[in-house]
Amino acid sequence: SAVISQKPSRDICQRGTSLTIQCQVDSQVTMMFWYRQQPGQSLTLIATANQGSEATYESGFVIDKFPISRPNLTFSTLTVSNMSPEDSSIYLCSVALPGQATYEQYFGPGTRLTVT
Amino acid sequence: GNSVTQMEGPVTLSEEAFLTINCTYTATGYPSLFWYVQYPGEGLQLLLKATKADDKGSNKGFEATYRKETTSFHLEKGSVQVSDSAVYFCALSERGANNLFFGTGTRLTVIP
Repeated sequence: SAVISQKPSRDICQRGTSLTIQCQVDSQVTMMFWYRQQPGQSLTLIATANQGSEATYESGFVIDKFPISRPNLTFSTLTVSNMSPEDSSIYLCSVALPGQATYEQYFGPGTRLTVT
Repeated sequence: GNSVTQMEGPVTLSEEAFLTINCTYTATGYPSLFWYVQYPGEGLQLLLKATKADDKGSNKGFEATYRKETTSFHLEKGSVQVSDSAVYFCALSERGANNLFFGTGTRLTVIP
C-alpha cells in the first residue's frame, strides 16, 4: 500500500481565484491520478499525472482549467483555476500499485473546496 | 462504455443485521471489480476486489462475488457493527487500464 497526504485538507475560496492542491506519496510511484467528487455524486477522473510530461486529461476536463504538475515520482499538484461555485467539490489524488492480478488504487484523504 | 450502478441509500440497519448493497456493472471487456469504503472524515480505502468471474473478494467480514452472468458484484456482511457506518463505493477497471469507474456510493448507518 501507500500513504498519501494532501494539502490543504479544505479551503473556502472566492470565485475567480485559483487554488493549488498538493499530493505527496511516501514512495515512488509511476501512476498518479486526480479525481473530483462533487456533492452527493460519485468520483470522476480528471486526469492522469505523468512524470516528466503533460498530464492526460479525461473528456470534459482541460489543462487551462486544471493544470497539473508532476515534478517527480512522489509529488503532484492540481490547480483549480478561475474558480466558480460549480467547482465546489472534494478533490482526491490516488496512486496505482501492482496487486494480485490487477492494479490497486490508493487514495489520499481529499481536499474539500468550497467556492463562494 | 463502462459504468457502475449502485443501490441508492442511505441504508440504516441495526447492529448485527445482515447487509446487502447491490452493484451491477456494464463493461466492454473483462473488468476487475472493487469495493471501496470511506469512513467519516477519511479518504477512500480499498475494501476488497475480484479480478475474474466467480472470484470472491473478502475482507473484515465483508464479501462480494464476481457474477459475470448477472454482471453483479453485491457487497454482503452477515452481522454489521456500528463501526461499519461509512459510504461504500463499487468500482471497476478494465484489464490493462488504470481508470476506475465508480458507482454513486451508498451511505450505511448502523445503529446500536
